[in-house]
Amino acid sequence: DTEVTQTPKHLVMGMTNKKSLKCEQHMGHRAMYWYKQKAKKPPELMFVYSYEKLSINESVPSRFSPECPNSSLLNLHLHALQPEDSALYLCASSQAAPDTQYFGPGTRLTVL
Amino acid sequence: GQQLNQSPQSMFIQEGEDVSMNCTSSSIFNTWLWYKQDPGEGPVLLIALYKAGELTSNGRLTAQFGITRKDSFLNISASIPSDVGIYFCAVDNYGQNFVFGPGTRLSVLP
Repeated sequence: DTEVTQTPKHLVMGMTNKKSLKCEQHMGHRAMYWYKQKAKKPPELMFVYSYEKLSINESVPSRFSPECPNSSLLNLHLHALQPEDSALYLCASSQAAPDTQYFGPGTRLTVL
Repeated sequence: GQQLNQSPQSMFIQEGEDVSMNCTSSSIFNTWLWYKQDPGEGPVLLIALYKAGELTSNGRLTAQFGITRKDSFLNISASIPSDVGIYFCAVDNYGQNFVFGPGTRLSVLP
């Protein structure tokens, strides 16, 4: 089983809303990742969690707040986003960091 | 930061033709990965390469990790319509960075 699941699939939110994206994997992987992908561009790394601890934060604005409640779950809390934050948000996991990453289907986020 | 180049940027081919694309870097990397992404979906891992010179196949796909550790190619034989999508190479350097190339967009004409 190489499945990473993400919910919701689509999300529309206003600039004053607070919402969360969720990611789950049951492969026993100990590293999980958040990426942002704009149209016609490659995914860009945002955060890396290794053994439930934040190990890499690629200078992401504080309006994005990651959380890793346990080794299977990864959340991304969103608050006061801007329209330019609209993108496909991808979650990935790997056995450890570094290692080959497996991606979820993504959440398509639109900020109005 | 690290930069990968992929060529061609896009290609249109006839169904049944073979496809070749490559990925290059000015830096050495220890792991080269090839992913395919369909519109609105996450990237799907096709082939992972861990050793310089390694040649690996996955069905109609073949990829090689260049001996200089600065490049990789991906070949697709006998293309079919479902091969349409964007092909990304990605590299990992001991977890210090995980970077995607800009992608090669493949279109297959029936």
